[in-house]
Amino acid sequence: DTAVSQTPKYLVTQMGNDKSIKCEQNLGHDTMYWYKQDSKKFLKIMFSYNNKELIINETVPNRFSPKSPDKAHLNLHINSLELGDSAVYFCASSQVSDGLSDLQYFGAGTRLSVL
Amino acid sequence: SQQGEEDPQALSIQEGENATMNCSYKTSINNLQWYRQNSGRGLVHLILIRSNEREKHSGRLRVTLDTSKKSSSLLITASRAADTASYFCATDGAGNMLTFGGGTRLMVKP
Repeated sequence: DTAVSQTPKYLVTQMGNDKSIKCEQNLGHDTMYWYKQDSKKFLKIMFSYNNKELIINETVPNRFSPKSPDKAHLNLHINSLELGDSAVYFCASSQVSDGLSDLQYFGAGTRLSVL
Repeated sequence: SQQGEEDPQALSIQEGENATMNCSYKTSINNLQWYRQNSGRGLVHLILIRSNEREKHSGRLRVTLDTSKKSSSLLITASRAADTASYFCATDGAGNMLTFGGGTRLMVKP
C-alpha cells in the first residue's frame, strides 16, 4: 500500500482556472505538508498542517490554500492559476513528538502545467 | 532563501567508489535530514540526525553533523549504479517544515 498518495499525477490546465490536488496518507501521521519543486529542482515548503495549527510559508500567494477534511488528508486548492505555478507539487507527512519531527514521507508528486 | 547549500552540485564517480556530499546551513536546527530523489520520482528519506548527534550510519550511508560549523556530510560507500539520483539535505524549522538545499546530482557509472 502506498503510504502517501497524491492525485492526479499530471495536471494540465489553462491560466486563470481553479484546480485541486488531493493527498492522503495511511501512516497515521499527525502532520502533513505541501512542497513545490521548480524546474531547477529547488524544493520549497508551502504549508505545514496538523490538527491544531496551519503554518504558511510567507512567500506563498494566497491563491494557494490547503484544506484538511480529516487527519489523513490535506488537499491543495489553487485559484486563478498563473504560468509561474507550473511545477511539481509534493505532499508529505510525518509524526511529530514533543515538537520534534521525524523523517517525512513524500508522495510521488503532481506535475502541474499551466498553459 | 535556502537554508541548506549542497556541495558539489554534481558528482560523477565509478561504481565501487565512495561518494561524499556536503551540506551547509545558516541557522540553528533541531535536526538535519538527507533525502534521495530519483529522476521524475518523489523524495525518499535516508537519514535523520539530531542536533545532539555527531554521526549516524545506515547500511552504506554515513552522515556526520558539525553544529559548530553548521555543516553535514553524506558518505555513500561502495557506490552502485542504482545510487544515481539527486541527494538533498534539509533542516527543520517552524511547524517542522523542512528547508531544502539545492541538491547534489550524483551519477554512478557502471
